Amino acid sequence: EDQVTQSPEALRLQEGESSSLNCSYTVSGLRGLFWYRQDPGKGPEFLFTLYSAGEEKEKERLKATLTKKESFLHITAPKPEDSATYLCAVGNSGYALNFGKGTSLLVTP
Amino acid sequence: DAGVTQSPTHLIKTRGQQVTLRCSPKSGHDTVSWYQQALGQGPQFIFQYYEEEERQRGNFPDRFSGHQFPNYSSELNVNALLLGDSALYLCASSLQGQGETQYFGPGTRLLVL
Repeated sequence: EDQVTQSPEALRLQEGESSSLNCSYTVSGLRGLFWYRQDPGKGPEFLFTLYSAGEEKEKERLKATLTKKESFLHITAPKPEDSATYLCAVGNSGYALNFGKGTSLLVTP
Repeated sequence: DAGVTQSPTHLIKTRGQQVTLRCSPKSGHDTVSWYQQALGQGPQFIFQYYEEEERQRGNFPDRFSGHQFPNYSSELNVNALLLGDSALYLCASSLQGQGETQYFGPGTRLLVL
């Protein structure tokens, strides 16, 4: 059975304090690992898709990396507007996305 | 370019009632998936529709059913509502292949009293 575990559950950073979020996964036949950002009461906003170990993608202050067992979302010099819940999901041999519970990030000025 | 849209935004129902939620996919997408998100949890897959057929279903009872129309829009129906059905219901659209990125709508917040 596929499993996705995100850590930490919650993270508080000072503005400018870089850090990383972790997504560990067990899946039979990885068809993609997806990162989303979700603001309270809203739908998840797509950030990145990674397909193979060693792949990296960047967008502004965010960088996602992938190994055979985990993915990291690195946040460089975060700003208060980066505060949100970050969700990781895996796609397997089917069509469903299997999500972790998310990491709630708070960036204070 | 319009993204995924959902209606209504909020809904309040009573136990035992039935509800219909609607979704229009992102332009160019032909596949719609539905997810249920309880407070503090990640979204849980309900089912996916492609070519007007349900082609994969998650671990949800038959009270949850759906439909996809020729214009690719979709409906989610929930019968005999329970208090535990209170959640944010998310629609996601994508192209039809495995591993395709799914783009989410804003969701419908359902409260069952």
